[in-house]
Amino acid sequence: EDQVTQSPEALRLQEGESSSLNCSYTVSGLRGLFWYRQDPGKGPEFLFTLYSAGEEKEKERLKATLTKKESFLHITAPKPEDSATYLCAVKNTGRRALTFGSGTRLQVQP
Amino acid sequence: DAMVIQNPRYQVTQFGKPVTLSCSQTLNHNVMYWYQQKSSQAPKLLFHYYDKDFNNEADTPDNFQSRRPNTSFCFLDIRSPGLGDAAMYLCATSRATGGRYNEQFFGPGTRLTVL
Repeated sequence: EDQVTQSPEALRLQEGESSSLNCSYTVSGLRGLFWYRQDPGKGPEFLFTLYSAGEEKEKERLKATLTKKESFLHITAPKPEDSATYLCAVKNTGRRALTFGSGTRLQVQP
Repeated sequence: DAMVIQNPRYQVTQFGKPVTLSCSQTLNHNVMYWYQQKSSQAPKLLFHYYDKDFNNEADTPDNFQSRRPNTSFCFLDIRSPGLGDAAMYLCATSRATGGRYNEQFFGPGTRLTVL
């Protein structure tokens, strides 16, 4: 059974204080690892897809990396508008659906 | 802009009173999903459609049903809502091409309250 564990559950940063969110996964045949951002009361917003170990993707202050066991979402010099819950999800070769982690609630204080 | 639309955004129903949630998409994606998300939890997949092919998750209660009359629309029917069914219901779509299931795009969700 696929498993996705995200840490920490919650993270509070000062504006400009860089940090990383972790997503550890166990999946039988990874066909993609996905990062989403979710604001309160809204649906998840797609950020990145990573397909193979060593792959990296960047978007503004966010950078996602992937190894064979985990993925990191690095946030460089965050701003208050980066405050949200960040969800990680994986897809294996045998299922059409994603398995989500419980997310990391990020709060960036000015 | 191409998007996933859910209606209503907020739904209040009474215990045991059937309710239908709606999802439409302008992305022309062939796969549509319904997720249930409770507070501070991961989205939990209820079922999905690959074209007209319905795929139910093993642990989805029989109380939850779905219909997809065409590519653009998908409905979630809750036949007899219980207090435990109060949650955010998320619709998502993706395009499956050549065996690769691409990223899913989510609607804004419908917040269901059961009184």
